[in-house]
Amino acid sequence: AQSVTQLDSQVPVFEEAPVELRCNYSSSVSVYLFWYVQYPNQGLQLLLKYLSGSTLVESINGFEAEFNKSQTSFHLRKPSVHISDTAEYFCAVRGLTGANNLFFGTGTRLTVIP
Amino acid sequence: ETGVTQTPRHLVMGMTNKKSLKCEQHLGHNAMYWYKQSAKKPLELMFVYNFKEQTENNSVPSRFSPECPNSSHLFLHLHTLQPEDSALYLCASSQAANTEAFFGQGTRLTVV
Repeated sequence: AQSVTQLDSQVPVFEEAPVELRCNYSSSVSVYLFWYVQYPNQGLQLLLKYLSGSTLVESINGFEAEFNKSQTSFHLRKPSVHISDTAEYFCAVRGLTGANNLFFGTGTRLTVIP
Repeated sequence: ETGVTQTPRHLVMGMTNKKSLKCEQHLGHNAMYWYKQSAKKPLELMFVYNFKEQTENNSVPSRFSPECPNSSHLFLHLHTLQPEDSALYLCASSQAANTEAFFGQGTRLTVV
């Protein structure tokens, strides 16, 4: 099975400042990696994903994440955050083989301060 | 519009009640899931259905009973719940095992 660790439960950051949300995973097989975002009273929305190919993946709203196999990490970054980025962010991992299970971290609450 | 619709959005029920949560997906996916989201905990995978067949049951208490009548609909039947079962219940679907899951907006359940 796989597991995900998000060390930072809360990250406050000023508007227009850069941010990094950390994600580390554990797996005995190769993995697919995902970042989801959850706004208040909403379900989870896919932000970006790594399946194969380039280790740097980007979202349409300026976020990017880099898959680092040696460090088993998939940190999420944005060079300049906006108030609207305030939300809960979840990292998730799924094994290439085995069951359909998508394993999630505990989430990181990003709060953008005006 | 996410393509995955959950009803009701909010539910308050007593410990002796019986209720059902409904999930419907309009994406043509062949796998559906129930997750439980509690504060300060990772999302907990409860049940997985592939092509209407249950393929995963993560040690969920029998007071939660899933039903998947077809590949577009998923139910979670609830009976004799406990206050600690209060949480956000999320339904998701995916096309295949190795793709991302699409989530509904969830049902906020409160057991009193």
